[in-house]
Amino acid sequence: GAGVSQSPSNKVTEKGKDVELRCDPISGHTALYWYRQSLGQGLEFLIYFQGNSAPDKSGLPSDRFSAERTGGSVSTLTIQRTQQEDSAVYLCASSFRQGMNYGYTFGSGTRLTVV
Amino acid sequence: GENVEQHPSTLSVQEGDSAVIKCTYSDSASNYFPWYKQELGKRPQLIIDIRSNVGEKKDQRIAVTLNKTAKHFSLHITETQPEDSAVYFCAAPSYTNAGKSTFGDGTTLTVKP
Repeated sequence: GAGVSQSPSNKVTEKGKDVELRCDPISGHTALYWYRQSLGQGLEFLIYFQGNSAPDKSGLPSDRFSAERTGGSVSTLTIQRTQQEDSAVYLCASSFRQGMNYGYTFGSGTRLTVV
Repeated sequence: GENVEQHPSTLSVQEGDSAVIKCTYSDSASNYFPWYKQELGKRPQLIIDIRSNVGEKKDQRIAVTLNKTAKHFSLHITETQPEDSAVYFCAAPSYTNAGKSTFGDGTTLTVKP
C-alpha cells in the first residue's frame, strides 16, 4: 500500500481481555517494527521483524505480549489478559530493509484503552 | 547496544527565532541519522536525515549537522513558525544491534507567535 496501515485506530477493552492489533506495512518493505508510546512519552521499542523472523524481541514487556508476521507482510501484535498499564498508543513502522541506512515510515497507531 | 541522548527535552522559542536540538550517540559504527517530527496526535514522520559521508544537509528551513568525531548530530530550524511546534525525535542505528535504530527521548518544541 501507499503507507503503513494500522487497525483498529482505537480500541477500548476490559481488563483481562485479549486484544489483537494489526499492521500492514508498505509493500516491499521487509523490516517491520512495533513501538509503544504512552501519553507524552517517547517511543518504547517492542519487537522487530526482518521478513517473518523476529531477531529482537527484547522490548516485549512481558509474556502476555506476542507478535507474528506472515508472508513477510501483515503483522499482528497480541496482548493477552490486558492490564490498565497496557493503555498506550501502539505504533507500527516499516522500512525498506533492516539495516544501517533506512528511515522508518510509521502508521497512525492504535490507541488502546484498558478499562 | 546504542545509547542515544537528546537535549533539551523542552524548547520554547519566539516565532522567527532559530531552534537547535542535539543528540549524542555511542556506537561509532552508526552511519545514518534521521530526525522525526511528531505533531500532537499524529504519527512520527521522517523530516530529514544525514549519512556519515557528509557533515551537513539542508532542506529549506531545516538542516542537520553531523560531527562523527564527537559522535553528535543536531537539528537546526531557522525562521521558526507556529506549525513547527511538535515533538522531535532523533535516532541512530546500532551496528551491534543489526541496524535497529535507537530513538532519543524527544524534544517538545513550542513556537510562540
